[in-house]
Amino acid sequence: GAVVSQHPSWVICKSGTSVKIECRSLDFQATTMFWYRQFPKQSLMLMATSNEGSKATYEQGVEKDKFLINHASLTLSTLTVTSAHPEDSSFYICSAEGVTYTDTQYFGPGTRLTVL
Amino acid sequence: GQQVMQIPQYQHVQEGEDFTTYCNSSTTLSNIQWYKQRPGGHPVFLIQLVKSGEVKKQKRLTFQFGEAKKNSSLHITATQTTDVGTYFCAGLEDGNKLVFGAGTILRVKS
Repeated sequence: GAVVSQHPSWVICKSGTSVKIECRSLDFQATTMFWYRQFPKQSLMLMATSNEGSKATYEQGVEKDKFLINHASLTLSTLTVTSAHPEDSSFYICSAEGVTYTDTQYFGPGTRLTVL
Repeated sequence: GQQVMQIPQYQHVQEGEDFTTYCNSSTTLSNIQWYKQRPGGHPVFLIQLVKSGEVKKQKRLTFQFGEAKKNSSLHITATQTTDVGTYFCAGLEDGNKLVFGAGTILRVKS
């Protein structure tokens, strides 16, 4: 149990375009989903926390208009990187926490974004 | 805000040697979690420690949570090549926000 999928696994886009990343909890209902960003050989930096049906809570320094998060259902959250630029290139990882798996986050496989 | 310090940043050991990574939080934690990330992969949950002074074992891995619930350690006995990866601790304060340590990269020479 506790499987989280992420799509796409990698994406290359041109500067100025928007990219949507999906995070799904496959076998449990995720009351809360988290979005992290990880630079090479660095730790995970929490970007935002999203609860189903409500607005995401963004960490300090994360532009909410740049990184749009939608948590429309208990199994799906999306992160849209708007008007992407090369400095947005990174590994984006989501995690999910559910009613059954409280206090424990299960991570998706990550999405590697490269902006040219 | 809460900070979680993790040391060492990097350790290169001979296969069969032991390995330990340490975490220290600036605040008291509700629990501490450990994750392993293989090169090119994503973090995988290993264990959660909740109680003060708790010790848990998973085969060759021993996890400890300090009495004050501010520090933790992961010890691997007799490392194997399959142990390579980055080990992260993550502290949970009140609420549901995890703060990750910087991670310790483990390399094992065979």
